[in-house]
Amino acid sequence: QQPVQSPQAVILREGEDAVINCSSSKALYSVHWYRQKHGEAPVFLMILLKGGEQKGHEKISASFNEKKQQSSLYLTASQLSYSGTYFCGTVNQAGTALIFGKGTTLSVSS
Amino acid sequence: DSGVTQTPKHLITATGQRVTLRCSPRSGDLSVYWYQQSLDQGLQFLIQYYNGEERAKGNILERFSAQQFPDLHSELNLSSLELGDSALYFCASSVDESETQYFGPGTRLLVL
Repeated sequence: QQPVQSPQAVILREGEDAVINCSSSKALYSVHWYRQKHGEAPVFLMILLKGGEQKGHEKISASFNEKKQQSSLYLTASQLSYSGTYFCGTVNQAGTALIFGKGTTLSVSS
Repeated sequence: DSGVTQTPKHLITATGQRVTLRCSPRSGDLSVYWYQQSLDQGLQFLIQYYNGEERAKGNILERFSAQQFPDLHSELNLSSLELGDSALYFCASSVDESETQYFGPGTRLLVL
C-alpha cells in the first residue's frame, strides 16, 4: 500500500526544473505532498483531491491523475531553498490513513 | 510553527533504559501519529490514535507502547532501549485520519 516515489534522488543547479512522481497500486482519494529539511519536521506543501484541479504553491505545483493513480510534483526554476526530501502521502478510496512514500531527496546547488 | 508540540527536544540515555516522549496535538485535532526516522531514512509509521483509541499500528516494536489521554495529548514509551533505537521521533496530528498531518518538531533520541 505504500506509494512508490521516483526518482530516489535529484541533483539540480539553481534555475533548473524537476519532476517527482508518486504512484500507488490502489485507487486514490487524495495525495499529500510534504518537504523535509535535514533534521527538521516535514512541512505540508499541498493536497490534491480526487476530482480536484492542479494545485500550486509558489513555483511548486502538482497534478493528480486519478486513472493512473499517480501524482507528480513540479518544481520550476529551482532555488537553493527547495533542497530537502519530498514525501508524498496517499489516502486510498477506502478512506484509510495517510501512508507516506520513502521520499525523494532534492539537492539544489548554485 | 505547526501547532504540534513535542517534549523533550533532545534525550540522551543509556541502553536498557526507559523513556517517555510527549506530544500535544494542534487544537481541535483528534488523531495523533507517531513516526520514527533513523539517519537518512524515511518516515517509519509506528502507531496512530484517534480520540483516545488505537487506530492503526505500523512497525512498532513490542518494547514500544503509546497512549492518548482524554485531553488528547499522547505519550510514546520506549523501554529496554537499544543503540538502534537512536532516531528522530516525530508526532503528527490531524483533524481526521485521512486529512493533512501536521508534524511536531520531533524528539531526538540518542541511546549510548
